[in-house]
Amino acid sequence: EAAVTQSPRSKVAVTGGKVTLSCHQTNNHDYMYWYRQDTGHGLRLIHYSYVADSTEKGDIPDGYKASRPSQENFSLILELASLSQTAVYFCASSAGTGAQDTQYFGPGTRLLVL
Amino acid sequence: GEQVEQRPPHLSVREGDSAIIICTYTDSATAYFSWYKQEAGAGLQLLMSVLSNVDRKEEQGLTVLLNKKDKRLSLNLTAAHPGDSAVYFCAVNTNAYKVIFGKGTHLHVLP
Repeated sequence: EAAVTQSPRSKVAVTGGKVTLSCHQTNNHDYMYWYRQDTGHGLRLIHYSYVADSTEKGDIPDGYKASRPSQENFSLILELASLSQTAVYFCASSAGTGAQDTQYFGPGTRLLVL
Repeated sequence: GEQVEQRPPHLSVREGDSAIIICTYTDSATAYFSWYKQEAGAGLQLLMSVLSNVDRKEEQGLTVLLNKKDKRLSLNLTAAHPGDSAVYFCAVNTNAYKVIFGKGTHLHVLP
């Protein structure tokens, strides 16, 4: 069964500080994604990647960087955390480029920026 | 671009009753449709997916209907039980990395 793990599961950060969220998948999937979830907005795509050492911007990339050092790992980096980045962040992976390639989600990281 | 509207945002039903959630979308080229369930404090769990050439799919007490003419997707929990209480999301996509999620429906099944 597909397995996506995230760390930390929750984090409190200070405004202006650097935050790194990590994601690890054991599915051997090429595609990985970072979403944020806010009440009333569903999930919105921040960054994604389809190969190691390469990342692509999603729909809301401003204020975020991503890093894909290997097929298994995908990180989301907030260089200067802001209050508006308080949200729940989900990582996901999928096998390929087809519309039917299901995305498998991690359990989420709850980030609170004070 | 593609827009997805999901309704209702909140739904309460009695145990054993049906619960129906509807999503409408705008892009007729949408190829794939999914429903996810999110329990408190957890990630999204895939319930069911259908390709655009499928009108109806049933699995384990769940029925997904796709009306391409009206661009409407629905999820019917035919006999809800308290364990079904969660947030449900529809998702539509034209390719693997362009997935648009609905805003979610909070389902509460009363015993």
